[in-house]
Amino acid sequence: SQKIEQNSEALNIQEGKTATLTCNYTNYSPAYLQWYRQDPGRGPVFLLLIRENEKEKRKERLKVTFDTTLKQSLFHITASQPADSATYLCGYSGYSTLTFGKGTMLLVSP
Amino acid sequence: DTGVSQDPRHKITKRGQNVTFRCDPISEHNRLYWYRQTLGQGPEFLTYFQNEAQLEKSRLLSDRFSAERPKGSFSTLEIQRTEQGDSAMYLCASNPTQGAVGEQYFGPGTRLTVT
Repeated sequence: SQKIEQNSEALNIQEGKTATLTCNYTNYSPAYLQWYRQDPGRGPVFLLLIRENEKEKRKERLKVTFDTTLKQSLFHITASQPADSATYLCGYSGYSTLTFGKGTMLLVSP
Repeated sequence: DTGVSQDPRHKITKRGQNVTFRCDPISEHNRLYWYRQTLGQGPEFLTYFQNEAQLEKSRLLSDRFSAERPKGSFSTLEIQRTEQGDSAMYLCASNPTQGAVGEQYFGPGTRLTVT
């Protein structure tokens, strides 16, 4: 069955640097890969979606890539700020459900 | 505010009691999803509705869980005979998708504690 994996260790970076988070899937290429931000005690907030036939998507300081050969999506936050500190969830979706990884916590220090 | 709302935000109950949660999706969204999330994990799919029809349930969803969306608007999730392992955040999400599942809009969640 399809599995989705994110680095469970927290990522610590300094303000102003680029944060890069990784999401790997195991089997077939999903229709979509999606990225969400989640703050403690709150519901996830949608950030970006990338389709199977797209290689890259951008939105302001955010960029997501989809490499079907490596079975991997990378999520980048450029010029990171302490306010970017949160847990970032990757999920794959087809025609009925969205399945999430465990998430990676990002800590941006001033 | 026209976002997804959930009620209650917190619920503490004793083992063996029944609990019911409510979700009000964004009004024009025809799909509604329920998820469960425990500490350190991503949201885990439970079930979803297309309008009033419940189209899929997770195999992890025991018979003690039931969900309804009677008029294709709000939804309820009931847990009967709660167990300590049911303690989690229950999240609701909605989206207007007819085809592949795109961007989902999540509510704030209901945190359930079973003592």
